[in-house]
Amino acid sequence: DTGVSQNPRHKITKRGQNVTFRCDPISEHNRLYWYRQTLGQGPEFLTYFQNEAQLEKSRLLSDRFSAERPKGSFSTLEIQRTEQGDSAMYLCASSITGQTNTGELFFGEGSRLTVL
Amino acid sequence: QQQVKQSPQSLIVQKGGISIINCAYENTAFDYFPWYQQFPGKGPALLIAIRPDVSEKKEGRFTISFNKSAKQFSLHIMDSQPGDSATYFCAYRRGAGNKLTFGGGTRVLVKP
Repeated sequence: DTGVSQNPRHKITKRGQNVTFRCDPISEHNRLYWYRQTLGQGPEFLTYFQNEAQLEKSRLLSDRFSAERPKGSFSTLEIQRTEQGDSAMYLCASSITGQTNTGELFFGEGSRLTVL
Repeated sequence: QQQVKQSPQSLIVQKGGISIINCAYENTAFDYFPWYQQFPGKGPALLIAIRPDVSEKKEGRFTISFNKSAKQFSLHIMDSQPGDSATYFCAYRRGAGNKLTFGGGTRVLVKP
């Protein structure tokens, strides 16, 4: 399967715990995006990387959130000291730059976080 | 803040009918307007997209109509099928990075 892969698919945690999500993009895609989606809403942009560089962060990304893409391949999104308001689906997407860039973002199936 | 307003929030249509979803945007700097389809438990997937220099684009049963002067664009699903039951999101892109901003979504239910 050559799509975007996210793990874990579901995570239930207690308030105050730290959680980490992993995203493996499509292999030739150099851009990687994190979005958050709450029930009944559209995805909200959190941050994106081009290769290993984090180029933009949303104001939604509080200091409890950190994202990395150390070698320009997979990425991790860590949430420290989770709060109930962090409960959401965390979506990862990837895209490619250059002549083959159609503007399309390819999304994974998401990691659902429930904070008790 | 939401810079694209999507309506309606939900829609019920009979099989074979036409589903119409509308989006209004504010900023003329946006250069790409895609529609994404999302099934429960899945990530969004690109359905069809248009650039502002084109007024209409059709792919199979799906058509985007774009009205630049009114700052509106819409998705028409012709001959709606039960398999089209999903949530549809309009979106726009502005600037570098392919970053998309999404509307609030329209949940479409096609009754057999």
